[in-house]
Amino acid sequence: EAGVTQFPSHSVIEKGQTVTLRCDPISGHDNLYWYRRVMGKEIKFLLHFVKESKQDESGMPNNRFLAERTGGTYSTLKVQPAELEDSGVYFCASSLRRAVGAIMNTEAFFGQGTRLTVV
Amino acid sequence: GQQVMQIPQYQHVQEGEDFTTYCNSSTTLSNIQWYKQRPGGHPVFLIQLVKSGEVKKQKRLTFQFGEAKKNSSLHITATQTTDVGTYFCAGARTGGFKTIFGAGTRLFVKA
Repeated sequence: EAGVTQFPSHSVIEKGQTVTLRCDPISGHDNLYWYRRVMGKEIKFLLHFVKESKQDESGMPNNRFLAERTGGTYSTLKVQPAELEDSGVYFCASSLRRAVGAIMNTEAFFGQGTRLTVV
Repeated sequence: GQQVMQIPQYQHVQEGEDFTTYCNSSTTLSNIQWYKQRPGGHPVFLIQLVKSGEVKKQKRLTFQFGEAKKNSSLHITATQTTDVGTYFCAGARTGGFKTIFGAGTRLFVKA
């Protein structure tokens, strides 16, 4: 079974340019998350999709970030225009929407990440 | 909002020494997960705890979930060089789907 895949693995862009990151979750996983880790700090939540719907986008830093998940399959995260502080590793993760009694199983499977460098 | 705090930030140990990282949440959690990220890699799921006071073991790793379901710990007995990496705890608030990660504890093991 293929895992979560992300593209590109690395991206170096100039300040003001646009970059689009892509994530292909594990097939059948309704939940898709975007996270960002900046220079050794915590893995910070950005947003959460359930199928094609945004369940929670409270972690999106500002309106320069736009995430989509058309059809509830792959997702894209666009940064436009990019700023220096956007540099970091962007992780995508997916998980099943499955309940075990009253407890949601939220084990997340992570992709390899996209290392974004804005210069 | 919900916060998950993890200490220490870094830990240097001699191979064979024990290691513990602690995780504390500002809110009661429905479950807590632990992940390991090797240098240059991505977080890999280790375990999930859901019951109050639960203790689980994986070889040299022991995971605990507090009675109040607001704290957790990961203990490694007799560390090996293969244990190096960053260990993250991550918790989901009761009734919520969003998993919040701690800042991670980076473990260095000297041979």
